[in-house]
Amino acid sequence: EIVLTQSPGALSLSPGERATLSCRASQALGGTYLAWFQQKPGQAPRLLIYDTSSRATGIPDRFSGSGSGTDFTLTISRLEPEDFAVYYCQQYGSFFYTFGQGTKLEIK
Amino acid sequence: QVQLVQSGAEVKKPGSSVKVSCKASGGSITNFAMSWVRQAPGQGLEWMGRIIPMLGLTYYAQKFQGRVTITADKSTSTAYMELSSLRLEDTAVYFCARGLRVGPTLDWGQGTLVTVSS
Repeated sequence: EIVLTQSPGALSLSPGERATLSCRASQALGGTYLAWFQQKPGQAPRLLIYDTSSRATGIPDRFSGSGSGTDFTLTISRLEPEDFAVYYCQQYGSFFYTFGQGTKLEIK
Repeated sequence: QVQLVQSGAEVKKPGSSVKVSCKASGGSITNFAMSWVRQAPGQGLEWMGRIIPMLGLTYYAQKFQGRVTITADKSTSTAYMELSSLRLEDTAVYFCARGLRVGPTLDWGQGTLVTVSS
């Protein structure tokens, strides 16, 4: 089973700032099978990025993903008030999917 | 746009089983993979397993192997997750999610709260 470790656990930033979230896999992913999700309290997760760097339908271009092998990054170029939430990475490069433990993005 | 509608909240005793349903409205599940993900109170997302209805294949996270059974009824576009030998720590919101056979979980249900309490 592939273990995903996200860092930092929490990130405190102000609107307008740039956010950089990390996701590290315990072994190299097959292909680019890494996704990022946003979750707000009381809601289901929402897919932001799939295949490492492709934005899902309706996702603003301030969200971008990059990485390869074992190291992946989600970047939010200029934070909007609605971006403060919890972010999870998910790998689907094996038969058994896994999620990272999440990064909480808080308003400073 | 498919909508995944899950069954309602459940309260169960330790040692019992729970079965949660997930019906795809406005779409099919046959050519997709249906995953189940849970979230304990204040905790992160935990992938439990998935089924590919067209192929009849299931994959379960090692943690739940032997306790979880995921099935699907193609005729009604409904997926099911049954968890047995419930423990207090199984209290969580259980989500179903649809995705490509190889792909992220794209469409999500609204979640079903399962409370395990003596």
